[in-house]
Amino acid sequence: DQQVKQNSPSLSVQEGRISILNCDYTNSMFDYFLWYKKYPAEGPTFLISISSIKDKNEDGRFTVFLNKSAKHLSLHIVPSQPGDSAVYFCAASGNNAGNMLTFGGGTRLMVKP
Amino acid sequence: DAGVTQSPTHLIKTRGQQVTLRCSPKSGHDTVSWYQQALGQGPQFIFQYYEEEERQRGNFPDRFSGHQFPNYSSELNVNALLLGDSALYLCASSGLMNTEAFFGQGTRLTVV
Repeated sequence: DQQVKQNSPSLSVQEGRISILNCDYTNSMFDYFLWYKKYPAEGPTFLISISSIKDKNEDGRFTVFLNKSAKHLSLHIVPSQPGDSAVYFCAASGNNAGNMLTFGGGTRLMVKP
Repeated sequence: DAGVTQSPTHLIKTRGQQVTLRCSPKSGHDTVSWYQQALGQGPQFIFQYYEEEERQRGNFPDRFSGHQFPNYSSELNVNALLLGDSALYLCASSGLMNTEAFFGQGTRLTVV
């Protein structure tokens, strides 16, 4: 039973355009959500997070949107850069970010120059 | 700040053998979690250690065990290795205020 799902295994966008990565969850007890980026041969790197009391969090080119009623979150990257090409994981936890994280399967983003 | 460090980076073991993986948390962090990432999948939570005790455990058999030392470093032990244990094993650390988890580069385990 996958509690966190990323239904798009891959996404290709042109440099300078917007990248939108999506994530759905089923467990209503999740109240903290995170996005991680992973390059080959490296561990996941934290990108941005959002608490369930918010519906939007922004950090530079990265914005995460949370729709609790739909149990859906998305990561927007504007403008996309070739260096953003990586695998992006959505993760959720039951209270705070230090506790057990449940990850989605990942979306491979390719930004073409 | 060295961040989270894991050793070794790669190793190859034979079915039935035992393996120990090591992790040093980021400076100032006291909580260590271990994850298994199979090829093409997201990381799966194995267990978490805090104050030298296992605090939470995911859906993994007892062949997977761990330890946390007084300096907060941690070990993951896997006994009676199976081919299906081949994966990237990730260690993550977090702080007392439970900010976001920081991951090491992982240990790639291959069981043959």
